Amino acid sequence: GQQLNQSPQSMFIQEGEDVSMNCTSSSIFNTWLWYKQDPGEGPVLLIALYKAGELTSNGRLTAQFGITRKDSFLNISASIPSDVGIYFCAGQLPWGGATNKLIFGTGTLLAVQP
Amino acid sequence: NAGVTQTPKFRILKIGQSMTLQCTQDMNHNYMYWYRQDPGMGLKLIYYSVGAGITDKGEVPNGYNVSRSTTEDFPLRLELAAPSQTSVYFCASSSSVQPQHFGDGTRLSIL
Repeated sequence: GQQLNQSPQSMFIQEGEDVSMNCTSSSIFNTWLWYKQDPGEGPVLLIALYKAGELTSNGRLTAQFGITRKDSFLNISASIPSDVGIYFCAGQLPWGGATNKLIFGTGTLLAVQP
Repeated sequence: NAGVTQTPKFRILKIGQSMTLQCTQDMNHNYMYWYRQDPGMGLKLIYYSVGAGITDKGEVPNGYNVSRSTTEDFPLRLELAAPSQTSVYFCASSSSVQPQHFGDGTRLSIL
C-alpha cells in the first residue's frame, strides 16, 4: 500500500532545541496535514496546509507545503517536555474525490529531555 | 464537546470470537473512517464512508465489515477474530471543509 516516507524515525533532544522533520512522496497531494499522537490517545491535528508553497505557523510549530506538492516539513522551535510524542504527516490525494482519504507517514518519535 | 467517541477503550478476544467496535461523532460530518495502527507503524485505512448508507473498502479491509445507517455512527465488525487483528483501532470523521478528527482508539488483543 501507498505510504509516505517520513524522517527521521526518532529524535532525542534537549529541552530548548529546535526540531525538524519531513515527509516525501512519489505522489502529488492537494493537502498536507500534521498530527501529533500522545501515548494512549488518538492523533490530534496540529497544522493543515492546502496550497503548494504555503507556510503556516501554530505557536512554536511551523509547517510548509512543498512547491512540488510531493513533500512537507514540520519545525518545532524551542522544544519543551510536553512536545514528546509521535508526529505523523498525512497527505490527501487529489484524485481522492470527495472522500478526503489520507495517506499517513510512518511517524517520528520525539523525546525531549528536560 | 465530545467530537469522535469510540467504545470500548480496551478489549481482549479469543480467536474466532466476534465483536463490534463502536464509533459515533457529534460534528455532523459526512465522512467517517476506520484505521488500524500496528506498533511502530502509521495508520492503515480499513473502511470509509462518505455518507449514511455508503461504505467502501480502504487499504486493509479483509476480516472486517462496516455499516453506516446514520450520519453519527460507523461501527466496525470483526466476525472471526484472528491474532493478526491485534492492533489499535482508530475512528475518524471529516467534512468537505474540515480535516479528519480522531477518536482515542480501541486497543484490541486477540489471544
